[in-house]
Amino acid sequence: GENVEQHPSTLSVQEGDSAVIKCTYSDSASNYFPWYKQELGKRPQLIIDIRSNVGEKKDQRIAVTLNKTAKHFSLHITETQPEDSAVYFCAASSRSFQKLVFGTGTRLLVSP
Amino acid sequence: SQTIHQWPATLVQPVGSPLSLECTVEGTSNPNLYWYRQAAGRGLQLLFYSVGIGQISSEVPQNLSASRPQDRQFILSSKKLLLSDSGFYLCAWSVSRSEAFFGQGTRLTVV
Repeated sequence: GENVEQHPSTLSVQEGDSAVIKCTYSDSASNYFPWYKQELGKRPQLIIDIRSNVGEKKDQRIAVTLNKTAKHFSLHITETQPEDSAVYFCAASSRSFQKLVFGTGTRLLVSP
Repeated sequence: SQTIHQWPATLVQPVGSPLSLECTVEGTSNPNLYWYRQAAGRGLQLLFYSVGIGQISSEVPQNLSASRPQDRQFILSSKKLLLSDSGFYLCAWSVSRSEAFFGQGTRLTVV
């Protein structure tokens, strides 16, 4: 089955810096890769996603890149702000989207 | 619009007691349904997923079970809770080729 690995587990940056979180997946049939943000005590919420027919997607300060050959994808946050502090999860899903498998999460701390 | 309801929000149960967590989805038909568990400071562990009524796939062996008696209802159960069952349980739904939406979660403490 699918296995998703995520690094780093924690990431501390200064406000204004960029943050990069990386994930690898094992199932070459996976073709949907969402990223979720979870604030303390709350439910995860989607911030951006990418499908396997696209190599990069950007939404304001957030971008995701996908390398299907290497089976890895990354989240890039530019100009980080303190409110970006949260736990970020990557995930991968098969063609039928029947099983969404998450990475272990990255705790991002943005210091003012 | 679609909504997901999960209850209760918090639960404190003694070791050996039964468990029933319920999740319902409104505004969509034949969703994929999921139960995840999140231990303190840890990632999201997929416990069960369902693609239709009565169809349950288990991801990890444990003393938990899941049922889907109706199209938009997903229930997580246990006959006897263990201390290790403590955690944050999240129900989620999705439809083909779209994101998963999470319920508010249930924080379960087994004492």
